[in-house]
Amino acid sequence: DQQVKQNSPSLSVQEGRISILNCDYTNSMFDYFLWYKKYPAEGPTFLISISSIKDKNEDGRFTVFLNKSAKHLSLHIVPSQPGDSAVYFCAANFGNEKLTFGTGTRLTIIP
Amino acid sequence: DTAVSQTPKYLVTQMGNDKSIKCEQNLGHDTMYWYKQDSKKFLKIMFSYNNKELIINETVPNRFSPKSPDKAHLNLHINSLELGDSAVYFCASSQVGQVLFGPGTRLTVT
Repeated sequence: DQQVKQNSPSLSVQEGRISILNCDYTNSMFDYFLWYKKYPAEGPTFLISISSIKDKNEDGRFTVFLNKSAKHLSLHIVPSQPGDSAVYFCAANFGNEKLTFGTGTRLTIIP
Repeated sequence: DTAVSQTPKYLVTQMGNDKSIKCEQNLGHDTMYWYKQDSKKFLKIMFSYNNKELIINETVPNRFSPKSPDKAHLNLHINSLELGDSAVYFCASSQVGQVLFGPGTRLTVT
């Protein structure tokens, strides 16, 4: 039972354009959502998060949007840079800090 | 100054062996975790410890035994290794909210 889903396993975007990564969840108890970025042979690194009481959080080039009614969140990266090429994991939790991860989306930025 | 460190980074061993993976965090966090990323890239929690006490134990075989000698360490011991145990194991720690991951240990069982 995959409670957090990333339906696009890969995404290619031209450098300078906007990258939009999507994530859907099924458990309405989730109250905190995070995005992690992972390079090969490294651990996931925290990127940005959003609480369920908000619908948008922005940090530099990264913005996360949360649509609770649709149980959907997205990560926008603008402008996209070559260093953004990585696997992006969406994650969610409630209360106990046990993160439930999506399966990841591999983002490739084309120079 | 690494925040969450794991050793070894790579581990190749034969079926039936017993092996350990060590994890240390120098962040003063109260909670530590073990996550497993399998061949299908699913990243799933295995265990969570808070102040040396087991908090979360997801359906993991008894062959896996975490040990937390102190708040800064959470080691993972695996008995009678099986082919299906091949995966990347990530240690992580957190205080409130954000979870920080170690670099991972790639375990290959032959």
